[in-house]
Amino acid sequence: KAGVTQTPRYLIKTRGQQVTLSCSPISGHRSVSWYQQTPGQGLQFLFEYFSETQRNKGNFPGRFSGRQFSNSRSEMNVSTLELGDSALYLCASSSITTGGTDSPLHFGNGTRLTVT
Amino acid sequence: GENVEQHPSTLSVQEGDSAVIKCTYSDSASNYFPWYKQELGKGPQLIIDIRSNVGEKKDQRIAVTLNKTAKHFSLHITETQPEDSAVYFCAAANRDDKIIFGKGTRLHILP
Repeated sequence: KAGVTQTPRYLIKTRGQQVTLSCSPISGHRSVSWYQQTPGQGLQFLFEYFSETQRNKGNFPGRFSGRQFSNSRSEMNVSTLELGDSALYLCASSSITTGGTDSPLHFGNGTRLTVT
Repeated sequence: GENVEQHPSTLSVQEGDSAVIKCTYSDSASNYFPWYKQELGKGPQLIIDIRSNVGEKKDQRIAVTLNKTAKHFSLHITETQPEDSAVYFCAAANRDDKIIFGKGTRLHILP
């Protein structure tokens, strides 16, 4: 079974621009979560989508948004980029089918975003 | 909200010795505690997990213990090997169905 695929692997953007990151979950997984990883803050939860609906959201500004398509693929968008948005963005899928979070997350290798 | 504290942030052990990483959580409703290993250039990978109805779980050289009363859980790696060198993250699923991660422990296995 193919793992979680994130594209692109690397991105360099300028302050003020916007960016879209893509995530293809493991086949059959309907839950997709996004995390921001930085050296200082570790892994911080952005949001989770399940069956095209945002089920949970972390404490990030509205510049961070996402969506999920009917095939469970997900995209994350960051508008008006700031230097502090430089990070590794990780996507994870899960086989969870109902409410509750006790199914393992399967992570992709991330997209490294650098904002200059 | 849920807070997960992880210690130590860096750990160096001699090859063959044991390594222990400890985590505490704040949400008494948390019921799922996974551990992840992250190697350079890769995303975190699940290595073991434990649910709140179990006190200990073992998988070969890796074990996790959970103390619900004290709200802490630990990862134990025995007979460490060079390939165990990585960053390890503990996590807890809180009452809002979010999985919250600790800040990670960088484990160095010394030859």
